[in-house]
Amino acid sequence: DGGITQSPKYLFRKEGQNVTLSCEQNLNHDAMYWYRQDPGQGLRLIYYSQIVNDFQKGDIAEGYSVSREKKESFPLTVTSAQKNPTAFYLCASSITTGASGTQYFGPGTRLLVL
Amino acid sequence: DQQVKQNSPSLSVQEGRISILNCDYTNSMFDYFLWYKKYPAEGPTFLISISSIKDKNEDGRFTVFLNKSAKHLSLHIVPSQPGDSAVYFCAASALGGGATNKLIFGTGTLLAVQP
Repeated sequence: DGGITQSPKYLFRKEGQNVTLSCEQNLNHDAMYWYRQDPGQGLRLIYYSQIVNDFQKGDIAEGYSVSREKKESFPLTVTSAQKNPTAFYLCASSITTGASGTQYFGPGTRLLVL
Repeated sequence: DQQVKQNSPSLSVQEGRISILNCDYTNSMFDYFLWYKKYPAEGPTFLISISSIKDKNEDGRFTVFLNKSAKHLSLHIVPSQPGDSAVYFCAASALGGGATNKLIFGTGTLLAVQP
């Protein structure tokens, strides 16, 4: 059945380490997104991608990087430059970046710093 | 500057009664609005949406009302059920002119439906 998968469910990062969060979708959606959720806050956009091999910075891109080599995959790397990485990370996809492109979310990855 | 605001962090309702969750926005360019439901440690689930050309959209127990002049929307859940207990996020986007579908989220309202 179609959906969005994120792995791992929990991820631990050591100081100075880069870690990569996986996001895969089999919905044949063109657009994919990464959000971050902190306690008591809404979701904030980190990066988004409208098509393969293209991506744009969101509102809080500093300390993160992405790639979009395949339509189905949009991995997010949390680099050592991200000073406050502890958060719940959500990946989403939508059928279009135009009108009525409702976004559908994966189950999320919780990143914790050791 | 928060463009989408959910001023009630929490709401408690008796089972069977109506739940009304509110959302205000400041950007007059927003023309598409969505409600998502989220359980702890899970991704948000899409509930219902409304375009700015409408003032009401209904789907089963869920109805969203949009008041453009007041820049206000609300989600009504009737009747409320214990399984509706979750955090509800309001989101908005400005889609005109083929703009990228960037959603701006509110901070969420925790709904607790008491049996």
